[in-house]
Amino acid sequence: ETGVTQTPRHLVMGMTNKKSLKCEQHLGHNAMYWYKQSAKKPLELMFVYSLEERVENNSVPSRFSPECPNSSHLFLHLHTLQPEDSALYLCASSQEAGTEAFFGQGTRLTVV
Amino acid sequence: AQSVTQLGSHVSVSEGALVLLRCNYSSSVPPYLFWYVQYPNQGLQLLLKYTSAATLVKGINGFEAEFKKSETSFHLTKPSAHMSDAAEYFCAVTRTGTYKYIFGTGTRLKVLA
Repeated sequence: ETGVTQTPRHLVMGMTNKKSLKCEQHLGHNAMYWYKQSAKKPLELMFVYSLEERVENNSVPSRFSPECPNSSHLFLHLHTLQPEDSALYLCASSQEAGTEAFFGQGTRLTVV
Repeated sequence: AQSVTQLGSHVSVSEGALVLLRCNYSSSVPPYLFWYVQYPNQGLQLLLKYTSAATLVKGINGFEAEFKKSETSFHLTKPSAHMSDAAEYFCAVTRTGTYKYIFGTGTRLKVLA
C-alpha cells in the first residue's frame, strides 16, 4: 500500500448509530488531517494532528471525535450524526506545516 | 490572513484547445500555492506546487502554472485539453509554519469532443 488509504469508501448510518472512519498513511509524514467536503462549499478543515498531538480543531461539533494513536493512523469517530453531516470526508497527510498535503480517496458518508 | 479566489465555477473547452483555470490569492506573507485535481468520488490529487523557487511550475499530465506576484495570480494552463482532463480543479494557499490550507471553491472543467 502506498499513499493515504481511507476505509470504508462508503458508509450509510442512522442518526443513532456509532461508526468510525479510518485513515492510514504510508508516506512517513508527521501531520494528518480530516477535511469535510460538502456540495457547493469549500473544503472545511476539521482537525489536524502533528506527531499525534492535536494542533487544530476548527469548531467541529462534539459528535465528531478524532483519534490519532500514532503518526500513521487517524480515526474519526461518529455518533448521533445529523443528515447535514452527509458529505465526503477526506483524510490527508503532509510532511510538516506548509508542505503539500496528500489526500486519501475519501469516505462518502450518508446519514439517514 | 490568506484567501483564494477561483474565477469561474464551470469552464468548458473543446478537446485540443487551451485550458486556462484562474486562481488569485491574497496573502500578507510569501505564499505556498498548489493546484489539485479531483475526479468524481475521489480524493484530491496534487497537480503542482509553488514554494518560492521557479515562478513557472510544471506539473503532472501536461499542466503548468505561473506565479505572478504583481497580479497575485497562479493560473493553471494546459496547451491542449484531453477528454481525461474533465474533473474539478482546486487552487490552495498556505504558508510556512501553518497547518491551515485555504482552498478555493473549485472549477469544474468540461471537455467537449
